[in-house]
Amino acid sequence: GEDVEQSLFLSVREGDSSVINCTYTDSSSTYLYWYKQEPGAGLQLLTYIFSNMDMKQDQRLTVLLNKKDKHLSLRIADTQTGDSAIYFCAERNTGFQKLVFGTGTRLLVSP
Amino acid sequence: DSGVTQTPKHLITATGQRVTLRCSPRSGDLSVYWYQQSLDQGLQFLIQYYNGEERAKGNILERFSAQQFPDLHSELNLSSLELGDSALYFCASSVGTETNEKLFFGSGTQLSVL
Repeated sequence: GEDVEQSLFLSVREGDSSVINCTYTDSSSTYLYWYKQEPGAGLQLLTYIFSNMDMKQDQRLTVLLNKKDKHLSLRIADTQTGDSAIYFCAERNTGFQKLVFGTGTRLLVSP
Repeated sequence: DSGVTQTPKHLITATGQRVTLRCSPRSGDLSVYWYQQSLDQGLQFLIQYYNGEERAKGNILERFSAQQFPDLHSELNLSSLELGDSALYFCASSVGTETNEKLFFGSGTQLSVL
């Protein structure tokens, strides 16, 4: 079955690194995504990783995938107050069109 | 700006009523997806259309229906509304139906059923 879990809340100070974690149950997940939702806005695609990769880096964002443990993480370096938002991980597997989203992690960055 | 347009942004209505939510996909995108975001259920996939045809169905209630028109815009119809239907409804679009395609989301329609 499909189940994607995230911790609900993360608080960091400006300039620190943030690590948001996600676990999923569907071993046939092909693509895993990170989306950002700011208040009153839609979901913005931040980055994604294909399941045959272990790591992907994109500027301040680093995605790590441990396929054996079905664990995905998003690291934001030098976190800024503008990074405060809800972050969703999502998985998608071959042959299925829908994205299955996690519960979302609310990141609060304090000055 | 994702390029996906949803109208209206906010909708307030009463129980038992019917509403229509509208979505215009990004230029060139043939697939449209509808999602519901609520506090208790999180983000739930409702339905997908590709080039006018229903492609995949998720947790969509029988009181809800959708369609995609020849100009590729889509409408989500919600009828016999209940308090529990209050949620943020998102539309997303992608070029086609391949698994590796990215979905781009609109800003959503906030539905409040009183």
